[in-house]
Amino acid sequence: KQEVTQIPAALSVPEGENLVLNCSFTDSAIYNLQWFRQDPGKGLTSLLLIQSSQREQTSGRLNASLDKSSGRSTLYIAASQPGDSATYLCAVWGSGGSNYKLTFGKGTLLTVNP
Amino acid sequence: KAGVTQTPRYLIKTRGQQVTLSCSPISGHRSVSWYQQTPGQGLQFLFEYFSETQRNKGNFPGRFSGRQFSNSRSEMNVSTLELGDSALYLCASSLGGDRVTYEQYFGPGTRLTVT
Repeated sequence: KQEVTQIPAALSVPEGENLVLNCSFTDSAIYNLQWFRQDPGKGLTSLLLIQSSQREQTSGRLNASLDKSSGRSTLYIAASQPGDSATYLCAVWGSGGSNYKLTFGKGTLLTVNP
Repeated sequence: KAGVTQTPRYLIKTRGQQVTLSCSPISGHRSVSWYQQTPGQGLQFLFEYFSETQRNKGNFPGRFSGRQFSNSRSEMNVSTLELGDSALYLCASSLGGDRVTYEQYFGPGTRLTVT
C-alpha cells in the first residue's frame, strides 16, 4: 500500500527566504508525482507535475525534483512571498491496479511572514 | 477553458439522510475522481470513473457510490449519512485514456456538514 509522508508538517519563514519542502513515498511504482497548493477552505491548485521518467520540473519560482528510486521529491520555493502562505500537498499517481489513483501526503502548512 | 465545477458548494444535512453531489469536468476530460478531505484523515480516494465505467474504488463503505454520464459529468451519492461523513468532497478531472500525463485538475469542492 502506497504511503506518502511530508516533512515538515508546518514551516514558518520570513519573506524572501528560499525554502524546501520534502515528500517521500514507499512504493516507487508510480506514474507521476504532483505538487498542489491549497488555500484554507478551497480546492487544490496544481503547481507542478513530474512524470516518472523526469527528474525535475520548474515553474517560475518553483522547482520540483523527483528521485523515484529513493522514493523522494522536493519542492523548492525561491524568494518566498506572503502570498505563498498555504498548505502544500504532494501526491503520487500509482502505475496500476488498486494504486491507479492519487495518494496524498498530509501536507506542509507554510507561513511566510512579511 | 472553464475549470472543474462542483455543485452545490455547501450543504447541511441531518444524520440518516442521503445526499448527491455533482461534478462537471473540464471540457474534453473523460476521467473523474472523487476525494474526501477531513482534518484527521487528510485526502482519501473514493473512486475514479472513465467513460462511464468505475475503474478504481477506495476503501469506503457501500453507502458511498458514484456514477458518470455520457457527457463525463459525475455524481457522488452518500446514503444514510453519519456525523463522520462531514468533510470537503473534492472532484478532479483528467484527460484519462492511454499515453497521457494523468495530471489532475481539482474543483473547489463541496463542503458537507452532517448534524
